[in-house]
Amino acid sequence: DQQVKQNSPSLSVQEGRISILNCDYTNSMFDYFLWYKKYPAEGPTFLISISSIKDKNEDGRFTVFLNKSAKHLSLHIVPSQPGDSAVYFCAAENSGGSNYKLTFGKGTLLTVNP
Amino acid sequence: GAGVSQSPRYKVAKRGQDVALRCDPISGHVSLFWYQQALGQGPEFLTYFQNEAQLDKSGLPSDRFFAERPEGSVSTLKIQRTQQEDSAVYLCASSLAHEGVAFFGQGTRLTVV
Repeated sequence: DQQVKQNSPSLSVQEGRISILNCDYTNSMFDYFLWYKKYPAEGPTFLISISSIKDKNEDGRFTVFLNKSAKHLSLHIVPSQPGDSAVYFCAAENSGGSNYKLTFGKGTLLTVNP
Repeated sequence: GAGVSQSPRYKVAKRGQDVALRCDPISGHVSLFWYQQALGQGPEFLTYFQNEAQLDKSGLPSDRFFAERPEGSVSTLKIQRTQQEDSAVYLCASSLAHEGVAFFGQGTRLTVV
């Protein structure tokens, strides 16, 4: 039973356009959400996060939106650059829990074409 | 060091062999996590340390898996009598405090043949 779902295994976008990566979750106890970016043969790199008390967080070209009622979050990258090509993982945490573990989705492979 | 360091980067083990994977967290980071990432999947939680205390080992798939962090810094994940299904990338992550962002190492790719 996947608690964090990324339903699009891959996404292809033209350079300069917007990339939108989606993530759904089922566990209503999750209250902190993170996006990680992963290049081949490297570990995941933290990108941006959002707490459930907010509905938007922005950092440069990256914006994460959270819709708690729909249990849905999305990552927007504007404008997309070829260097953004990587696998993006959505992760969720129950910060009120005792172990602070992250639950990850399966990832979305983003390809930004020049 | 500047980041989380894991060794070895790659390990090939014969079925039945024991392996030990090492993680050097970021200096001063209290929390340390181990995750297992199978091909085409997201990382899955294995175990969590706060300093030297192993507070959660609910994700360890069997009693062949054992982790320790005796001095609250370096951690070792040991897998006894490896099986083919143990083949995966093992990721270590550390964070400054339990609520902080987790920073990941490059991982150890284990292949059991």
